[in-house]
Amino acid sequence: EVQLVESGGGLVQPGGSLRLSCAASGFTFDDYAMNWVRQAPGKGLEWVSGINSNSGSRGYADSVMGRFTISRDNAKNSLYLQMNSLRAEDTAFYYCAKTRAAVYLEVIDYWGQGTLLTVSS
Amino acid sequence: QLVLTQSPSASASLGASVKLTCTLSSGHSSFAIAWHQQQPEKGPRYLMKVKSDGSYTKGDGIPDRFSGSSSGAERYLTISSLQSDDEADYYCQAWRVFGGGTRLTVL
Repeated sequence: EVQLVESGGGLVQPGGSLRLSCAASGFTFDDYAMNWVRQAPGKGLEWVSGINSNSGSRGYADSVMGRFTISRDNAKNSLYLQMNSLRAEDTAFYYCAKTRAAVYLEVIDYWGQGTLLTVSS
Repeated sequence: QLVLTQSPSASASLGASVKLTCTLSSGHSSFAIAWHQQQPEKGPRYLMKVKSDGSYTKGDGIPDRFSGSSSGAERYLTISSLQSDDEADYYCQAWRVFGGGTRLTVL
């Protein structure tokens, strides 16, 4: 059974930093690309970042470019999102999501349960 | 630029069928999309991938009541024999883009 478990969310002040983690199990992690998708309270889904299976290609939404960094450790079956210079508009549930292929531009076929980031003073 | 367009809301009666639509922007009519369901207060769940030829591949455990189809730039999700727990938001997704979602109300 595929499982994606996010951790690391919490309350952070504007301008602060935080790192989200996602522990993956139930599939061959290094065969698949991974993504982070967020959802602000009461809003729709927004793709944040994606990384190919071998970390050879990464992509970011314009809204987080230069502030967020996606990475993965295939030996640990883990995905990360380093978030710097956080803003109030980054407040959202952050979901770890697996794609159906090695490239992150494929469709998502599994989701984690999400972790909540709140950016507020 | 890829844009996915969905109607904000839809409704249908318990036991009936409903067909939700996701429209791909001009120049992207060959793209496959995924449908995701998000029940209230829950995370999203993958339902299926729908290709331009109308074929679809469902996720694990998705009931036969859910099916997909295509016509031109439109991708469809059909839910038959509606149940109360089908009341949810439904999102389509392709590449790094999500549609705005359709909130389905089961009457």
